[in-house]
Amino acid sequence: DTGVSQDPRHKITKRGQNVTFRCDPISEHNRLYWYRQTLGQGPEFLTYFQNEAQLEKSRLLSDRFSAERPKGSFSTLEIQRTEQGDSAMYLCASSLFTMTSGRNTGELFFGEGSRLTVL
Amino acid sequence: KQEVTQIPAALSVPEGENLVLNCSFTDSAIYNLQWFRQDPGKGLTSLLLIQSSQREQTSGRLNASLDKSSGRSTLYIAASQPGDSATYLCAVRYRSGTYKYIFGTGTRLKVLA
Repeated sequence: DTGVSQDPRHKITKRGQNVTFRCDPISEHNRLYWYRQTLGQGPEFLTYFQNEAQLEKSRLLSDRFSAERPKGSFSTLEIQRTEQGDSAMYLCASSLFTMTSGRNTGELFFGEGSRLTVL
Repeated sequence: KQEVTQIPAALSVPEGENLVLNCSFTDSAIYNLQWFRQDPGKGLTSLLLIQSSQREQTSGRLNASLDKSSGRSTLYIAASQPGDSATYLCAVRYRSGTYKYIFGTGTRLKVLA
């Protein structure tokens, strides 16, 4: 399978615990995004990587959140000292950035998401 | 403020009907616009990507149009089927020095058999 994969699919944790999510993008994709989605809402941007460089972070990403993409391949999103308000679906997406005839390509492909429940 | 709005929030139609979903954005300076489908509890599935230089894209029974001057995109679904029932989301990447895609809140579609 060459799609975006996320692990774990579901995580239940107690308030105050740390959790880590992993995303494996489509292998040749150089752009990687993390989004958060709550029920009935559209996905909200958290952070963006181009290769291994984290180029953009949302103000939603408090200092309890950290993301990495070592070597420009898989990415991890860690939430420290979880709070009940962190309960959401965490979505990872990847795309391939190339300049073709001066135009951006960059179709986004999403994984199935990691659902976090904080008790 | 750069936003994306989708109307209606929910739609229920009988099977076989042609329907139009709407997406509005606040700034005509965009790189591209993408339509997605999301089934309950699942991730997003890409349907169509329209680059800023394009006016429309088609895939099977789906046709998406883009009018930057009016800040609108429409997703046309022909001959709807119960299997089309899902939430449809549009996302826009603005040219304002950001890499992020901004999403609307979606249109929840139910096609009745």
